[in-house]
Amino acid sequence: EAGVAQSPRYKIIEKRQSVAFWCNPISGHATLYWYQQILGQGPKLLIQFQNNGVVDDSQLPKDRFSAERLKGVDSTLKIQPAKLEDSAVYLCASSLGASGQYFGPGTRLLVL
Amino acid sequence: KQEVTQIPAALSVPEGENLVLNCSFTDSAIYNLQWFRQDPGKGLTSLLLIQSSQREQTSGRLNASLDKSSGRSTLYIAASQPGDSATYLCASYNNNDMRFGAGTRLTVKP
Repeated sequence: EAGVAQSPRYKIIEKRQSVAFWCNPISGHATLYWYQQILGQGPKLLIQFQNNGVVDDSQLPKDRFSAERLKGVDSTLKIQPAKLEDSAVYLCASSLGASGQYFGPGTRLLVL
Repeated sequence: KQEVTQIPAALSVPEGENLVLNCSFTDSAIYNLQWFRQDPGKGLTSLLLIQSSQREQTSGRLNASLDKSSGRSTLYIAASQPGDSATYLCASYNNNDMRFGAGTRLTVKP
């Protein structure tokens, strides 16, 4: 079974630029999550999708972050414009029911 | 709001030692608790998942226990090896909400 795929693996941008991350969950997993992990901390949930609907986006900074999962499969997370404090690893995870979450390798973002 | 705490933040042990990592959570009404391993620069790898109705799960040298009433979970690693060096995170799941601890950074010295 293929795991959760993410791209790119690394991205360096300057502040005020835009960036987008892509995630393809495990086939058949209805729930998809985007997390932000700042160095030395545990992951923080940004947004959770159930199929193509948003379940929870309470911690998503909506003035600059957006995410979509139009066909209920893969998803994109966008930051526009980026700030220095957005430097982090962005993790995508998927799950099927209560079987636990499976994580992708993450995208490491550095904002200069 | 669920809060998950992991103690210690860092741990260094010699190879071969048995060790325990601790995880505590404030809201005992959890659906499950999951332990993950994270290597530097990598994503999270699921180690063990304990459903709320279970008290422990085992996989190889790893054993995780769950005591909902006291809001605690432990991850026991037997006969530690240098390859076990990583950050270990626990996460509680309830009401569609998964909360992570900050992790314990484990170093096993040869």
